[in-house]
Amino acid sequence: EVQLVESGGGLVQPGRSLRLSCRTSGFIFGDYSMSWVRQAPGKGLEWLGFIRSKAYEEKTEYAASVKGRFTFSRDDSRGIAYVEMSHLKTEDTGVYFCTRGRTSDFWGQGTLVTVST
Amino acid sequence: EIVLTQSPGTLSLSPGESATLSCRASQSFSGDYLGWYQHKLGQAPRLLIYSGSRNAPGIPDRFSAYGSGTEFTLTISRLEPEDFAVYYCHKYGSAPYTFGQGTKLEI
Repeated sequence: EVQLVESGGGLVQPGRSLRLSCRTSGFIFGDYSMSWVRQAPGKGLEWLGFIRSKAYEEKTEYAASVKGRFTFSRDDSRGIAYVEMSHLKTEDTGVYFCTRGRTSDFWGQGTLVTVST
Repeated sequence: EIVLTQSPGTLSLSPGESATLSCRASQSFSGDYLGWYQHKLGQAPRLLIYSGSRNAPGIPDRFSAYGSGTEFTLTISRLEPEDFAVYYCHKYGSAPYTFGQGTKLEI
């Protein structure tokens, strides 16, 4: 059974950093790109970007709203994807989901990030 | 960046009826890279349709989709109580990816 579990969310002050993790199981992690999507309170889904597999040199793509502040990485040996978020803003508040592959065929339950003083 | 606009914003229907949801793109792109997702509050979004018209595993054939270029449609026939949720279209394939703003399907 494919499973994705996000963790690392919480309350953080504006300007600070936070790292989220996405632990996976049930599939060959190294074969897939991994994406990140968020949902601000009361809003729709927002694509944040993804990291390709090692076969594609782990190249990354970012949405304009997070480029330069967010960094995706992965640990294929442990089946974990990460997003390092820096210079956080209040508008970064929301539930953060990791998803599998280009089609986002599987999603985690999400982890809540609250950026506030 | 391609912008996806979904309509209507809210659709009010009853179980047993059919729903037609629209997704319009600001620029033409291949329907091979269009997906539809169902999202219920507090749950993980679920992939319904990929490659424009292919049902994801386990998705009943009451859900169907078609379209090309700038116009894409999701149809849900014989609505069941569990179908009432928010639906998103999603362009993938070449970055930047993007989601529509969603259509809320309510009873």
